[in-house]
Amino acid sequence: KQEVTQIPAALSVPEGENLVLNCSFTDSAIYNLQWFRQDPGKGLTSLLLIQSSQREQTSGRLNASLDKSSGRSTLYIAASQPGDSATYLCAVRTDSSNTGKLIFGQGTTLQVKP
Amino acid sequence: NAGVTQTPKFQVLKTGQSMTLQCAQDMNHEYMSWYRQDPGMGLRLIHYSVGAGITDQGEVPNGYNVSRSTTEDFPLRLLSAAPSQTSVYFCASSYSSLGTGANTQYFGPGTRLTVL
Repeated sequence: KQEVTQIPAALSVPEGENLVLNCSFTDSAIYNLQWFRQDPGKGLTSLLLIQSSQREQTSGRLNASLDKSSGRSTLYIAASQPGDSATYLCAVRTDSSNTGKLIFGQGTTLQVKP
Repeated sequence: NAGVTQTPKFQVLKTGQSMTLQCAQDMNHEYMSWYRQDPGMGLRLIHYSVGAGITDQGEVPNGYNVSRSTTEDFPLRLLSAAPSQTSVYFCASSYSSLGTGANTQYFGPGTRLTVL
């Protein structure tokens, strides 16, 4: 059974710091991995999607990497800002039929202090 | 586009009551899903649909029913609410992208349900 783990559960950093969020999964047979952002009391917003054939994806100050063989993904946030404060979730798709089924990690709650 | 919309935003039920959580999307997505989010448990899949008239169970389907009569709507029904169903419920949708894997999921804002 696929399990997704995110460590740490919470992280607090000063503004301007570069940081890395970690996501690990137990079964390397994935089709893609997606990083989401969730603001308090809100829904999820997709940040980056990495297909299984890709090594990384970039969007602005965000860079996500994928190492299938080791079952790991990282989300790198450059020059963090207070507006980056949120919970970040990773999720993997493991089925080939594209039913929309995702398996989520429990998330890392990030606080960026001014 | 409104994206994925959910109603109501908040709901309080008594044990044994039934209700329907509404979900609609205006992006013509084939795939729609319902997840519940609980503290320390992450998001877990309840039911999903690959198109109108086709639904299937996810990881935690007990106590919930779904139907998909149109592409746009995917309601979730609680048959007899229990305190264990207190949670935040999210609806999601995506395009079909067989062979590409590029199925970005779009989530609604959630329904916060409390069962007393």
